[in-house]
Amino acid sequence: AQTVTQSQPEMSVQEAETVTLSCTYDTSESNYYLFWYKQPPSRQMILVIRQEAYKQQNATENRFSVNFQKAAKSFSLKISDSQLGDTAMYFCAFMKPYSGNTPLVFGKGTRLSVIA
Amino acid sequence: NAGVTQTPKFQVLKTGQSMTLQCAQDMNHNSMYWYRQDPGMGLRLIYYSASEGTTDKGEVPNGYNVSRLNKREFSLRLESAAPSQTSVYFCASKAGGGAKNIQYFGAGTRLSVL
Repeated sequence: AQTVTQSQPEMSVQEAETVTLSCTYDTSESNYYLFWYKQPPSRQMILVIRQEAYKQQNATENRFSVNFQKAAKSFSLKISDSQLGDTAMYFCAFMKPYSGNTPLVFGKGTRLSVIA
Repeated sequence: NAGVTQTPKFQVLKTGQSMTLQCAQDMNHNSMYWYRQDPGMGLRLIYYSASEGTTDKGEVPNGYNVSRLNKREFSLRLESAAPSQTSVYFCASKAGGGAKNIQYFGAGTRLSVL
């Protein structure tokens, strides 16, 4: 079974600074997908970024980028120019690529606080 | 565009009571999911449905039943609620695999069982 580990329960960062959230995972699959979801105080789950394991290029979405190290099974999220609105729980998640019904396996989350 | 709609948003039950959490999506997605979120535990899969008429157990199915009523709707039922089922419940849907494998979530239902 796949497992996802987020080793940082809580983090804080000054506004406009850069922060990196860590995620490691365990799988015997060679092809899969990785995700970062954001959960603000509103409780809504919002997709931040997605990475396909067979793509070597790291995914980027505006101020959000990932450092995907397949051999090390590591998938960290970097937030640049942090904003107060980035304050949220962040979840790393894994998905097998097979048929359409494969669910997500989540880490326990990292609570990020952006300080003015 | 409503996306994934969950009802109710909040619910308080007494131990032993039953209730059904409703979920509907308007994106014509094939797969639907129910997760629960507990403090310090992340989201854990309860049940999922690949298509209308099919359901499968996830990581924590005990105490729950589900019904995929049609392609749009996927309900979660607690037959006899227990305090251990106090949690936030999320419904999600997905179009398919590959490039269509992004899961979209509802706003969640906060359930308290006293």
